[in-house]
Amino acid sequence: KNQVEQSPQSLIILEGKNCTLQCNYTVSPFSNLRWYKQDTGRGPVSLTIMTFSENTKSNGRYTATLDADTKQSSLHITASQLSDSASYICVVSADTGGFKTIFGAGTRLFVKA
Amino acid sequence: EPEVTQTPSHQVTQMGQEVILRCVPISNHLYFYWYRQILGQKVEFLVSFYNNEISEKSEIFDDQFSVERPDGSNFTLKIRSTKLEDSAMYFCASSEGRSRYQPQHFGDGTRLSIL
Repeated sequence: KNQVEQSPQSLIILEGKNCTLQCNYTVSPFSNLRWYKQDTGRGPVSLTIMTFSENTKSNGRYTATLDADTKQSSLHITASQLSDSASYICVVSADTGGFKTIFGAGTRLFVKA
Repeated sequence: EPEVTQTPSHQVTQMGQEVILRCVPISNHLYFYWYRQILGQKVEFLVSFYNNEISEKSEIFDDQFSVERPDGSNFTLKIRSTKLEDSAMYFCASSEGRSRYQPQHFGDGTRLSIL
């Protein structure tokens, strides 16, 4: 069964600290993995997209990694800011001719001053 | 920066009524999508649309749902006879190219409440 599991469910960190969010998936055959940031009441905003051949992708203070062998990805946030408080969603697409997109439940990050 | 816009931001409808959710994708984008997010649950893919036809749809997208691009700018989702369980946030998204390699740009959603 195609699944995307994220951990932790929620996380509280102090402003300026780093954190790492995890994503494990069982989606097959793998097409790509995306990380989105979703602020409360807003639509998701794309942070990174990685295909099978890529194992790291950065976007400013966000760095995503992908291990296609173990089917794991992480999103590392450096020097967190209050504005990083949001849900971070891992999304994996399967290459099924068309393709099937599976969303994780997200990690809710709270950055405190 | 260009945005995907959705209207209305909140729609309240009686069960059994038809509802149309509207989206204006980014102007040079060619691929369009609808997703839904039931309160407290994961975002779920509904349908993708390209070249005036559905390119992929999920099991959720049954006969009560339809999509249309009635003119060069709007992209609509119609729910024919709404049910209580259709209450959710509905997101529209668009991408410049086929979404495997292209970022999808999301609107801020329409909250649909079925009474």
